[in-house]
Amino acid sequence: DVKVTQSSRYLVKRTGEKVFLECVQDMDHENMFWYRQDPGLGLRLIYFSYDVKMKEKGDIPEGYSVSREKKERFSLILESASTNQTSMYLCATKRGGNQPQHFGDGTRLSIL
Amino acid sequence: QKEVEQNSGPLSVPEGAIASLNCTYSDRVSQSFFWYRQYSGKSPELIMSIYSNGDKEDGRFTAQLNKASQYVSLLIRDSQPSDSATYLCAVNRDYGGSQGNLIFGKGTKLSVKP
Repeated sequence: DVKVTQSSRYLVKRTGEKVFLECVQDMDHENMFWYRQDPGLGLRLIYFSYDVKMKEKGDIPEGYSVSREKKERFSLILESASTNQTSMYLCATKRGGNQPQHFGDGTRLSIL
Repeated sequence: QKEVEQNSGPLSVPEGAIASLNCTYSDRVSQSFFWYRQYSGKSPELIMSIYSNGDKEDGRFTAQLNKASQYVSLLIRDSQPSDSATYLCAVNRDYGGSQGNLIFGKGTKLSVKP
């Protein structure tokens, strides 16, 4: 079974804080993704990675960065949190080729 | 701008009926198509993958793909109240190094009434 673990289900932070969201997978998948999901806007891709130390910008990378030092771990970093980054954040992984993506449980992040 | 379009609903069906969910996509070269189910407050869960024209059945679920019409659908037979959720259609982006990326529709909310 696919197992994607996100470090927190709920998180509350203050504006200006540096925020780390962690995602760990145990399937040896090459590809990892970070999305945010907002009502009416659907799922939007923030960053993705096809390999260790590799990262690519998605559709909405502004205000975010990522780190992938090990194959199983992909971290999303909010450099200086702002209220418009309040959202549900979802991590996903997949094998190579046309395989589907598998999601973690999500982190509901509130920035006050 | 490559897009995936779904009717937002809500789609309401009585228990035991067939629910039909539809999705159109704009990128003619897309090769992989997926349906995810998302319960309120939860993350998306994969329920069907389809790669070839025609029908693919898995239990009460049938995915249908027509690449010429750029159309994907999901049929849920014998709908149950537990099927009440938002259903997301996802299509792969097939360009450059991004073949693994998906474009998601905004989802169709399904409500199955007892």
